[in-house]
Parts: sequence; structure tokens; C-alpha cells
Amino acid sequence: QVQLQQWGAGLLKPSETLSLTCAVSGGSFSGYYWTWIRQTPGEGLEWIGEIHHSGSTNYNPSLKSRLTISVDTSKKQFSLKLNSVTAADTAVYYCARGNGIRFTNGVSFPKDFDFWGQGTLVTVSS
Amino acid sequence: EIVLTQSPATLSLSPGDRATLSCRASQSVGSYLAWYQQKPGQAPRLLIYDASNRATGIPARFSGSGSGADFTLTISSLEPEDFAVYYCQHRSNWLLITFGQGTRLEIK
Repeated sequence: QVQLQQWGAGLLKPSETLSLTCAVSGGSFSGYYWTWIRQTPGEGLEWIGEIHHSGSTNYNPSLKSRLTISVDTSKKQFSLKLNSVTAADTAVYYCARGNGIRFTNGVSFPKDFDFWGQGTLVTVSS
Repeated sequence: EIVLTQSPATLSLSPGDRATLSCRASQSVGSYLAWYQQKPGQAPRLLIYDASNRATGIPARFSGSGSGADFTLTISSLEPEDFAVYYCQHRSNWLLITFGQGTRLEIK
């Protein structure tokens, strides 16, 4: 059974960098997209971005300027960094595995998400 | 941008009842629709993908149907553990993912 275990700092001050890591066990790391999604009571579920095991990325346009997603295939881990956080970035952050690859205009992406991490509450407050 | 509208917002039923949850898209999404279940303090769990395919390990009482713009998640006979929030989700392309606002299934 695929398991995703995530960790990172839960309390940040405005302008700091959010940093989370997700480790994958129990299944193949290759051939999949590895994704970050966040959830707030007000905005619901929001896709942040994803990385293929090969290193190619897709980012949410609204976050792209502040976002870096990286992968370490040797450790079967992937990471999220979001710069210059504000209170609006307060959310529960999830890592997830992308399921079912589609192609549009030559760009691949997963359709949905079949395994998720346990979630990390990140609070941004001065 | 595609908008997914779920109804009802809240559904109050009893164990053993049949539950029918709706997800309507603002334009056709073909069969590219997924359903998730989320319990308090837990991550979402994939139930259905491509509108009607059960994900690995999902009980047969969960079924999905529909295509185009109208989709339904049916739980044939509610178990106590099925009371949760349910979301539908569609991905248009590599930049656009939409989630519905959720239907809360509560015990009557």
C-alpha cells in the first residue's frame, strides 16, 4: 500500500518561506506526478502544483512566482517551498500522488489523486 | 474556467438509507470527474475516478454515474462510517483543477 508521510514547519511569520517535504513508501516513485494541494475553510481545496519523477513541473499560475517544487528520487521524496507567505497562505497542506495521466497540447498531467499524506496545518501569523 | 456545483449542500439521512449526491459542471467535462470522501481531521480519499470507476479498496456500495455536465455519486446503503463530506473534482488541463464546494452527509 502506498503511503505518503509529510512534515515541515507549522507556524510561520509573514514574509517567511513555507517548506514541506513528503516521503513516499510502499510503491513505485517512478512514472507518477507528485502533487501539493491545500485546503482552507473559506476557499476549499486548491491545487498548488506538482512534479513528475523526471523533474518536470506544473504550477498553479496564481502561486507560480513564489513556488518551487523539487524531487529527490533517491530518497523517494518531494518538497514544496512557498516564498513570502502571508496570512492568506494559512491552510492545511497535503501531498498526494497523481492518478491517471492525460495529455493536452503535448503537456501531461494527472487527472486526479489517489493517495494522500496526512496533512500539515500551516499557520502564518505575526 | 469550469465551475462544479454540488447539491445538496447538506444531506441528512439514516444508516441503511440510499444517498444520492449531485455534481453539475458549468460545461461538459466528458467523463473526467472524480469523487472524494473526507472525514474530519483526515485527508480526502479518492472514491471514484473517470465518473464511474471505483478506486482501489472502495466498497461496492459506492457508485458513480454521469457524463458531460451532470454526475451522481450514489451510496446504496449507508454505513455509519460513510457520514462525511464529499467533493467532486475535474481537471481541465495542466493548469486548471476544479473542486466542488462539497456535500456534507450527516446522520439524521
